[in-house]
Amino acid sequence: EAQVTQNPRYLITVTGKKLTVTCSQNMNHEYMSWYRQDPGLGLRQIYYSMNVEVTDKGDVPEGYKVSRKEKRNFPLILESPSPNQTSLYFCASSPDFRDRGVHEQYFGPGTRLTVT
Amino acid sequence: AQTVTQSQPEMSVQEAETVTLSCTYDTSESDYYLFWYKQPPSRQMILVIRQEAYKQQNATENRFSVNFQKAAKSFSLKISDSQLGDTAMYFCAYRSGAAGNKLTFGGGTRVLVKP
Repeated sequence: EAQVTQNPRYLITVTGKKLTVTCSQNMNHEYMSWYRQDPGLGLRQIYYSMNVEVTDKGDVPEGYKVSRKEKRNFPLILESPSPNQTSLYFCASSPDFRDRGVHEQYFGPGTRLTVT
Repeated sequence: AQTVTQSQPEMSVQEAETVTLSCTYDTSESDYYLFWYKQPPSRQMILVIRQEAYKQQNATENRFSVNFQKAAKSFSLKISDSQLGDTAMYFCAYRSGAAGNKLTFGGGTRVLVKP
C-alpha cells in the first residue's frame, strides 16, 4: 500500500530535550516536506527536499532541522524544543513538480507534539 | 508570496442539505493548481477535489463541486446532499505550477453536519 508513515503519532516532551520525528514514504517520490498545523493558520511549510541531500527552508523553519540521506526518509529534528513548537506536524511526499501533472501530495497521519 | 484566505471559520448544515465554503487567493501567476482537503477527526489529510487554473470547466467529484472564478481569484467548494461523514475541517490550498510542490493553505473552515 502506498503510504507515508510518521512516528511517533503523539509526543509529550519538555523544553530543551532534543527529539526526532521520523517520516518515511514507499512511493519513490522525489519531493518531501514538513508542515505544521496551528488553529486558524492552516498548514505552513517548515522544510522541504527536492531530492536526496537537497533540502531548503519553507515558511517557518526556525527551530527545526531536517536531513535527506535516503530518498524514502525525511526526519524532522527539534534540537531544543520550546513551547511555541507545540503543534500538529505533517510529513508529505509527491513526485517532482517538473514532472508535469497535478500531482497529489500524500500526507502522513500527523504527529501531535506537546512541549511543556 | 501567495496567500489563501478562508473567511468562514465554522459552518453548520443539516443532513442532506447543501453548504458552500468560500476561498479566495492572491497570486500573480497564471499557472497554478487549487485544492480542497478534508481533515476529519482522525486528522488525516484527504484530497477532496483539485482544479487546474488553465481549465475553465469547474471540477466535480461526486457530491463535491467547485466554483472557480479565475479573474476574481475565488475557489469555493459546494458539498451537496451533506452526510454526517462530511463533518470535518476543510482546507483550501494553492500550488504554483512553476515554482515547486509547496502547498499554501488557508486557515480552514470547520463544517458540522447535523442530523
